[in-house]
Amino acid sequence: ETGVTQTPRHLVMGMTNKKSLKCEQHLGHNAMYWYKQSAKKPLELMFVYSLEERVENNSVPSRFSPECPNSSHLFLHLHTLQPEDSALYLCASSQDGTGMSSYNEQFFGPGTRLTVL
Amino acid sequence: KQEVTQIPAALSVPEGENLVLNCSFTDSAIYNLQWFRQDPGKGLTSLLLIQSSQREQTSGRLNASLDKSSGRSTLYIAASQPGDSATYLCAVRPGSARQLTFGSGTQLTVLP
Repeated sequence: ETGVTQTPRHLVMGMTNKKSLKCEQHLGHNAMYWYKQSAKKPLELMFVYSLEERVENNSVPSRFSPECPNSSHLFLHLHTLQPEDSALYLCASSQDGTGMSSYNEQFFGPGTRLTVL
Repeated sequence: KQEVTQIPAALSVPEGENLVLNCSFTDSAIYNLQWFRQDPGKGLTSLLLIQSSQREQTSGRLNASLDKSSGRSTLYIAASQPGDSATYLCAVRPGSARQLTFGSGTQLTVLP
């Protein structure tokens, strides 16, 4: 595997289900991101992990719970979702330095298409 | 709050044409700007990254320019091909944060 991989590629779940999305990066990067892409809306950042610590959370509902056990893996745990949460969920990674001026290019995975019934 | 606008929202051209996609942003205090390509239902492919100190970047038939003071970037595609058909997204990294702020994209169709 190369680059950034995501599983599953497609997921259909009911509002009472609990599921998890998985992301793995094979680039040796130290920062990982979850983005949400809804129909006809720009991509929105959900979570950022840098050096395995969550550094930003843009007021995402608590029904989304991220987990980053190491620098190569990122999970998004889902529970009691709403139909409006149906979207393409994209994972990305980058190699960041210690200062803001060293933020570098982000590489994206293929995404998980989530449908909440 | 940084806002990114891409014009036009959709563009259809015949094969072989040279074309320009536009991106504008409201806050010129950025660290870099990135152009992506997205095929239907797929993830994003990074095309070009321009650091705030640079004026342009080139990769093959693609050339991206950045005018930070006026809050504009353009993506120039030379000799367009049907395989270039996709949505092109512009994203800026604001000066105070790690995340990218995206535009809504330009959907390009190159007709054979």
